[in-house]
Amino acid sequence: EPEVTQTPSHQVTQMGQEVILRCVPISNHLYFYWYRQILGQKVEFLVSFYNNEISEKSEIFDDQFSVERPDGSNFTLKIRSTKLEDSAMYFCASRDGGENGVPNQPQHFGDGTRLSIL
Amino acid sequence: RKEVEQDPGPFNVPEGATVAFNCTYSNSASQSFFWYRQDCRKEPKLLMSVYSSGNEDGRFTAQLNRASQYISLLIRDSKLSDSATYLCVVKTSYDKVIFGPGTSLSVIP
Repeated sequence: EPEVTQTPSHQVTQMGQEVILRCVPISNHLYFYWYRQILGQKVEFLVSFYNNEISEKSEIFDDQFSVERPDGSNFTLKIRSTKLEDSAMYFCASRDGGENGVPNQPQHFGDGTRLSIL
Repeated sequence: RKEVEQDPGPFNVPEGATVAFNCTYSNSASQSFFWYRQDCRKEPKLLMSVYSSGNEDGRFTAQLNRASQYISLLIRDSKLSDSATYLCVVKTSYDKVIFGPGTSLSVIP
């Protein structure tokens, strides 16, 4: 069964440094997402991405965050200047368009990147 | 009011029991609804989509009441492997997805 893959599985970074989290969505999927989950808390939506543009973003996704799909396969999340509170598990997800692009297809998640900010 | 709320749990049930989880959502324009499960420190995994007419998948039954903005999940004949956190997930607009806080289930031998 096709999978969403994420690298690295664990990233340790000094506060203030830039970090890039990478995701390879399922190959025929067109919609891509990033979520974060702080330890012990709920999964929080960050951003959705379609046709090389951000579709929706949450209040968490401020100017420190950016996403791009540089080469048609990888989907990356960049945090420009990391803060201690960015420490969390970051999940990438993707879904296909469904019939007639109906946006009700479920998302498939990668197994996450644990980001630790020191 | 929070966008998606769930029973706080935890639920501790014996094997073979039937257990029901409840979820409410605040945005009446929400379009799509799902139940996911999440094992400790793992990624969310789709359990089932929730359709307006209700749907069943083996031991799992999901119901949606749009008028009450309420979703439920029923698990029959609980197995040890059902132990996990169950996440109610709601798509509130074109492509913004909100997760509930989850309800923890422990199935006890």
